[in-house]
Amino acid sequence: DAKTTQPNSMESNEEEPVHLPCNHSTISGTDYIHWYRQLPSQGPEYVIHGLTSNVNNRMASLAIAEDRKSSTLILHRATLRDAAVYYCILRNDYKLSFGAGTTVTVRA
Amino acid sequence: EAGVAQSPRYKIIEKRQSVAFWCNPISGHATLYWYQQILGQGPKLLIQFQNNGVVDDSQLPKDRFSAERLKGVDSTLKIQPAKLEDSAVYLCASTPQGNTEAFFGQGTRLTVV
Repeated sequence: DAKTTQPNSMESNEEEPVHLPCNHSTISGTDYIHWYRQLPSQGPEYVIHGLTSNVNNRMASLAIAEDRKSSTLILHRATLRDAAVYYCILRNDYKLSFGAGTTVTVRA
Repeated sequence: EAGVAQSPRYKIIEKRQSVAFWCNPISGHATLYWYQQILGQGPKLLIQFQNNGVVDDSQLPKDRFSAERLKGVDSTLKIQPAKLEDSAVYLCASTPQGNTEAFFGQGTRLTVV
């Protein structure tokens, strides 16, 4: 399986944007880039996904590099409810394998 | 739309006992996953079903773990006998066809003492 690399942790202030990087240098042409987050004591929750173009939804934006070897999840205005572990995953052939993720802390 | 249902939410057993977890995926979802999540780690895939067939069980400890998916709908995961290191949250997820979003249940927290 293609691997992803994320920082262990990031901190942000409330109401400020958060940019979460993910490196996936071995991505294949058919891998989709998915992001999930996991709040304390809950199952993971889907955030966003994309293939080549940047994507926006009500939760976040996904910026994908032109060579697709990296991507960035953008939370436009962090709130205390966004404190969670964020996972960047390459998805293909229905596979869904998680790494360690990035723990996001939001300061009030 | 109803989400992925898992039961029980919590279970405490002694080592060497057996335990079973149940998952009811979202109606119509063809793919079902079972994950083990040890405290402080990301979820680890144990087994993946496509309808009622196994697609990937390479990380399932088959000497003690077993799973089945009846008629391509509900699924059960069993551990027999349990070890202390099996203490974890067991997550079930399902997806429709394609590489779309996965929906997770709340998980079952297992404590082996």
